[in-house]
Amino acid sequence: AQKVTQAQTEISVVEKEDVTLDCVYETRDTTYYLFWYKQPPSGELVFLIRRNSFDEQNEISGRYSWNFQKSTSSFNFTITASQVVDSAVYFCALSVPNSGNTPLVFGKGTRLSVIA
Amino acid sequence: ETGVTQTPRHLVMGMTNKKSLKCEQHLGHNAMYWYKQSAKKPLELMFVYSLEERVENNSVPSRFSPECPNSSHLFLHLHTLQPEDSALYLCASSQLSKTGDTDTQYFGPGTRLTVL
Repeated sequence: AQKVTQAQTEISVVEKEDVTLDCVYETRDTTYYLFWYKQPPSGELVFLIRRNSFDEQNEISGRYSWNFQKSTSSFNFTITASQVVDSAVYFCALSVPNSGNTPLVFGKGTRLSVIA
Repeated sequence: ETGVTQTPRHLVMGMTNKKSLKCEQHLGHNAMYWYKQSAKKPLELMFVYSLEERVENNSVPSRFSPECPNSSHLFLHLHTLQPEDSALYLCASSQLSKTGDTDTQYFGPGTRLTVL
């Protein structure tokens, strides 16, 4: 079975600080996909990134960066120079091809509050 | 309209009412999903439709009845709900390949349902 753990329930930072959101996953499959979604107060889940298990290269997109480490089964998300608009709940998720019943498994989410 | 849309955005209903939630995707995808997001639980997958055929029903009570008339539309018919069914209901769509490899799911803004 697959599982995603986001141990940080809530994080509060002051604007311009860097913040890292942790994600640890469990799966016995060698092929899988990892995702991050952002859920602002409006409710919509906004797709941020998709990474497959064979690509451990870190990725940077503007102020966002992701650190994928298979050795520790982690896919952490860092926001550099945080802004108030980054305040949201962030979800990490895991997908296993041909898993049948559960295409996407979500963590419980981390609520990020960025204070001006 | 672009992406995934959901109507209504907010719904208040009594336990004896019958209502329907609507989802429409404009992405040309062949799979659609219903998720439930409660205050104290992680995102729960309810139903999956692939090529208009239901392929997943995660032990959802019969008072929730999905319908997928075509690949662009998905409905969730509600009947005799309970107060504990109050939640945010999210619709998503993706492009499912022949190998069952699920591509990125894109979400709608959700319907916030309150059952009195």
